[in-house]
Amino acid sequence: SQQGEEDPQALSIQEGENATMNCSYKTSINNLQWYRQNSGRGLVHLILIRSNEREKHSGRLRVTLDTSKKSSSLLITASRAADTASYFCAGYTGANSKLTFGKGITLSVRP
Amino acid sequence: EPEVTQTPSHQVTQMGQEVILRCVPISNHLYFYWYRQILGQKVEFLVSFYNNEISEKSEIFDDQFSVERPDGSNFTLKIRSTKLEDSAMYFCASSPPGLAGRNEQFFGPGTRLTVL
Repeated sequence: SQQGEEDPQALSIQEGENATMNCSYKTSINNLQWYRQNSGRGLVHLILIRSNEREKHSGRLRVTLDTSKKSSSLLITASRAADTASYFCAGYTGANSKLTFGKGITLSVRP
Repeated sequence: EPEVTQTPSHQVTQMGQEVILRCVPISNHLYFYWYRQILGQKVEFLVSFYNNEISEKSEIFDDQFSVERPDGSNFTLKIRSTKLEDSAMYFCASSPPGLAGRNEQFFGPGTRLTVL
């Protein structure tokens, strides 16, 4: 089964607006992580939310997790042009330690 | 802030050649990983490594692949006989002590492998 399917696949907003990205998954997870990837670059860890947490904040980032709906959302408030990147959710399942990634959302923030 | 480093940033090789991709994980981390990302596709897990042995590997990680931690700092991925379809960005990651599957994984900047 696939893990971590994000939507929308592409999002374009104006600087200063909020960006909301969603992730759904099919199997139970231990925790869910969000990463950012600038074009052709590495993955930057943004935030981890555990399965017993519902919401978490880090600076301009707010992540929610709804285990009953098997979904998570990443909200970036007051977006900046520098937030332009691809965003991925990834989860651990079961007892293993591998992360399974979604396809990613391409966020474009227009100055 | 400590970070995972990878060398080289870009490797070009001929089909059938052996390549070794190198990673230096964060120093107090105990779990090490390799992932790859074919252009335009998802990041895919290859292998995890803990306590000097492979703890899990994917179906992609066949006999052509091997990993090694030759000393206390480096973690390497070897591809014995590269194929065109091995062209991808390869990411190394590490995570701190604790239960496997519970902690953040920190990724390096990647090595872009191009097989001609």
